[in-house]
Amino acid sequence: QVRLVQSGAEVRKPGASVKVSCKASGYSFNDYYVQWVRQAPGQGPEWMGIINPNVGSTIYAQKFQGRITLTRDTSASTVYMELGSLRSEDTAVYYCARRTPVVLDITYHYMDIWGKGTTVTVSS
Amino acid sequence: DIVMTQSPLSLSVTPGEPASISCRSSQNLLHRNGHNYLDWFLQKPGQSPQLLIYLGSNRASGVPDRFSGSGSGTDFTLKISRVEAEDVGVYFCMQALETPRTFGQGTKVDVK
Repeated sequence: QVRLVQSGAEVRKPGASVKVSCKASGYSFNDYYVQWVRQAPGQGPEWMGIINPNVGSTIYAQKFQGRITLTRDTSASTVYMELGSLRSEDTAVYYCARRTPVVLDITYHYMDIWGKGTTVTVSS
Repeated sequence: DIVMTQSPLSLSVTPGEPASISCRSSQNLLHRNGHNYLDWFLQKPGQSPQLLIYLGSNRASGVPDRFSGSGSGTDFTLKISRVEAEDVGVYFCMQALETPRTFGQGTKVDVK
């Protein structure tokens, strides 16, 4: 069964950092990019970044540049999202999602497998 | 960034009746390859988003055929032909043409 299992809820103070893990199972870890999306209470989802687990290359949304780091541990089939300089506005549920290719007349990529989410609360 | 705007923000539907959700993008999502880079997701209460429609009109695996997506360019529609109780939740559109991906604010659907 293809799954992404995320780490548990976290509480941090403003200015601190948090590291969330996302463990993949049921498929070849190196073959699928993983994206991170967060959702603040009552808001629409917000795309944060993406990592290629095979080589570790990353792309970040400009909004998070300088604060976000995506890494992976191929031996553990796990990707990590670290967000620093936390503020109250970073309180949200953080999701990892697999980017899956589908071949039609073109090759398209969609997010079809999602983790259950990790709640991060930033509060003094 | 591309701005995605959904309407209505909430919808209350009688089971068995149709429902329609609109999504507009601030930029043309029609790629030169002829496909519209627009996906639809449903987030059921307490769950992660699940993919319903990709490339504007292609149902994802396992999605019932009562769901359909249409539209092109900047205007898109998700239709549910006959709403069922299990369809409650928040529906999001997302553009996949550019990075960063951007989502609509969501349309909450409940059943009367």
